[in-house]
Amino acid sequence: DTAVSQTPKYLVTQMGNDKSIKCEQNLGHDTMYWYKQDSKKFLKIMFSYNNKELIINETVPNRFSPKSPDKAHLNLHINSLELGDSAVYFCASSQFGLAGRETQYFGPGTRLLVL
Amino acid sequence: AQSVTQLDSQVPVFEEAPVELRCNYSSSVSVYLFWYVQYPNQGLQLLLKYLSGSTLVESINGFEAEFNKSQTSFHLRKPSVHISDTAEYFCAVSDRRTGFQKLVFGTGTRLLVSP
Repeated sequence: DTAVSQTPKYLVTQMGNDKSIKCEQNLGHDTMYWYKQDSKKFLKIMFSYNNKELIINETVPNRFSPKSPDKAHLNLHINSLELGDSAVYFCASSQFGLAGRETQYFGPGTRLLVL
Repeated sequence: AQSVTQLDSQVPVFEEAPVELRCNYSSSVSVYLFWYVQYPNQGLQLLLKYLSGSTLVESINGFEAEFNKSQTSFHLRKPSVHISDTAEYFCAVSDRRTGFQKLVFGTGTRLLVSP
């Protein structure tokens, strides 16, 4: 009965590979987010989707492509992985309509290591 | 644009001692303020938030934070910490003007509670 789940939990891969991270939430929320947390624990928003529509798209290399097949899922596909992509990626969800006052619920994170 | 500064990267403290984690923000517009906590190997959880009204907000586990507009601060305090409070604490802001939430996080403060 996990609220926000991510798969895989750990991902070790070689430079140049393509990989995907999946996120699912069962909270009935309509907004989902992807964050990147670097080795110094700095957390930065990458993307946000509301009802499958992209509403936040930060300055992220176009090798990163989010996809939201429905409100409960937001996947992150990364092409041509680079060493600098090594980080922890967090998915989060919230309920839209509270004009910025909402609480975000975070998944446990996916630890990506690019060798 | 907003920015958040957490000057203390690490705060060591003994069990049952008081603690204050500092957070200052910079913004040309009004913001909502949040504290999130990240326990080891977990995602972030909301601790408390300031939206409006009383400048002192409290969490269910004994933390409190006070919004100080003139000093643009939102420091987090607890009068007596427990070992279980050991975690990373993130201060965040969100622009009140937009209809959706885009959290800008500080770099985090690691609270280390020793017996």
